[in-house]
Amino acid sequence: EVQLVESGGGLVQPGGSLRLSCAASGFTFSSYSMNWVRQAPGKGLEWVSHISSDSSSIYHADSVRGRFTASRDNAKNSLYLQMNSLRVEDTAVYYCARENSGFWGQGTLVTVSS
Amino acid sequence: DIQMTQSPSSLSASVGDRVSITCRASQGISNYLAWYQQKPGEVPKLLIYAASTLQSGVPSRFSGSGFGTDFTLTISSLQPEDVATYYCQKYNSAPRTFGQGTKVEIK
Repeated sequence: EVQLVESGGGLVQPGGSLRLSCAASGFTFSSYSMNWVRQAPGKGLEWVSHISSDSSSIYHADSVRGRFTASRDNAKNSLYLQMNSLRVEDTAVYYCARENSGFWGQGTLVTVSS
Repeated sequence: DIQMTQSPSSLSASVGDRVSITCRASQGISNYLAWYQQKPGEVPKLLIYAASTLQSGVPSRFSGSGFGTDFTLTISSLQPEDVATYYCQKYNSAPRTFGQGTKVEIK
């Protein structure tokens, strides 16, 4: 059974940092591209970043470029999102999702507030 | 960047009605388009990929069509359990932009 489990969310002050993790199981993680998607409270879905299976291609949304960095460790079946210089508008549930599939994690809430 | 525009932003229809949601890309994306359904408090669920391929387990009343810039999600006979917000997403290249969503309600 495919499982994606996010962790690392929480409350952080503006300007702070967080590192999200996504633990994958039930499939050959190293064969798939992955994405981070977020959803602010009461808002729509926003794509955040994409990382190819071998990390050779990494893309980020304009809204987070230069502040967020996606990475992965295929040996650990894990996906990461390093979030720096956090802003109030980054408050959202963050999901990891296998590229173009029905497999999403349950999400982890990031709250940026003073 | 390619923009994805969904219409309408919301709709209300009766049980059994045929419902259509449109997604327009500002540039051609071939058939690299997916549709998601999200019910309140739930994780988005993939309904359709490659513009018209039904994801396994999705009821056949859902269908997708289109190519290039214009795409449509159709629910052939709206059911109470279809109340949700629907999103299109392009995945031909980055950014993998979502449409703004269409909220579907029962009249």
